[in-house]
Amino acid sequence: EAQVTQNPRYLITVTGKKLTVTCSQNMNHEYMSWYRQDPGLGLRQIYYSMNVEVTDKGDVPEGYKVSRKEKRNFPLILESPSPNQTSLYFCASSSPSLARDEQFFGPGTRLTVL
Amino acid sequence: GDSVTQMEGPVTLSEEAFLTINCTYTATGYPSLFWYVQYPGEGLQLLLKATKADDKGSNKGFEATYRKETTSFHLEKGSVQVSDSAVYFCALRTSGGSYIPTFGRGTSLIVHP
Repeated sequence: EAQVTQNPRYLITVTGKKLTVTCSQNMNHEYMSWYRQDPGLGLRQIYYSMNVEVTDKGDVPEGYKVSRKEKRNFPLILESPSPNQTSLYFCASSSPSLARDEQFFGPGTRLTVL
Repeated sequence: GDSVTQMEGPVTLSEEAFLTINCTYTATGYPSLFWYVQYPGEGLQLLLKATKADDKGSNKGFEATYRKETTSFHLEKGSVQVSDSAVYFCALRTSGGSYIPTFGRGTSLIVHP
């Protein structure tokens, strides 16, 4: 089954404790991206990647890091989480051969930073 | 830069009512337009799309027409159901640049029995 998976689905942590949210897709897509969703602000892009070892900042990259060492994986790293990073996070993937077609989203990771 | 503006919600309707969710856009290129839907507790999924002016996208009884002259892509459904309760996102993607879409803020739809 074609899908984007994220882990964990739920995470409660404390300020300053490094964490990683994993994202993996099995569709051989070149493009992957991370979004955060907050009430009243909608969906905002954090980082995106157009291929292995190619990443770029989105609209709200501060406090986040990403890496793309393999085509299928695109982890989101919070080196020193803060309460304002409490949010719902989504990973998505797509392909340039589907450049005018859809993005495939993961189920989301709800992060709470205390 | 590219941007998408959606009507603010929540939109609250009774079952079988007519639905319109407005979406207008600004784009430097020639965009494709999308509507995504997010059901409670789930990720976004594509609902419908249109890739050129005057195209009509349709799916699950929902429709939207790409209006270049008014830069709009309004979502409509003739008779909503309780199961349509969700958040709806309008989005665009231009052929140049990163191919990563720009999303609107989302409109929550609540349908009562």
